Amino acid sequence: GQNIDQPTEMTATEGAIVQINCTYQTSGFNGLFWYQQHAGEAPTFLSYNVLDGLEEKGRFSSFLSRSKGYSYLLLKELQMKDSASYLCAAQAGRTDKLIFGTGTRLQVFP
Amino acid sequence: DADVTQTPRNRITKTGKRIMLECSQTKGHDRMYWYRQDPGLGLRLIYYSFDVKDINKGEISDGYSVSRQAQAKFSLSLESAIPNQTALYFCATSDPLSGSTDTQYFGPGTRLTVL
Repeated sequence: GQNIDQPTEMTATEGAIVQINCTYQTSGFNGLFWYQQHAGEAPTFLSYNVLDGLEEKGRFSSFLSRSKGYSYLLLKELQMKDSASYLCAAQAGRTDKLIFGTGTRLQVFP
Repeated sequence: DADVTQTPRNRITKTGKRIMLECSQTKGHDRMYWYRQDPGLGLRLIYYSFDVKDINKGEISDGYSVSRQAQAKFSLSLESAIPNQTALYFCATSDPLSGSTDTQYFGPGTRLTVL
């Protein structure tokens, strides 16, 4: 079957670093997306990993290990505006459909 | 102007009513999707379309139908709304030919309440 697991909630302090983990079990895995979603708003694209390793984009980095079915999103120098849900999604199959996790709600405190 | 728009943004309706949610895009993407989002369940795919003549069911298509009127327009219908269809509905688009990722871009969402 298809399964994506990520923690439901996390908290962190402004200026700190936080790592949000995601494990997946999907057939026909093609790649791994991370989206950010503020409450009541649309998910917005953050990153995509297809090869093993770390992809860095400013304060955000994403890591993938295909052999372990594991990814993480690393957020550095946290800001209050980073308080949001972070959605892990596996792209799978011939049609590249996305299978979403339930999301991790991150709260950043001053 | 937003690349992916959805109308209405909010809708309250009664059980048994027919409802249509509309999605339009100016991104020129061939692929369009409809998802619903419920608390604790994440985004779930209802229907997707890879071009005007291609419509496919997603994981939770029962109770829904769609119409792809043009490349830019993809509508979702609830023929007879029921309370457990209360949710946040998102439309998304993608273009597999733009780079190698087929990234999906989401509209602002429609909050539907069925009483």
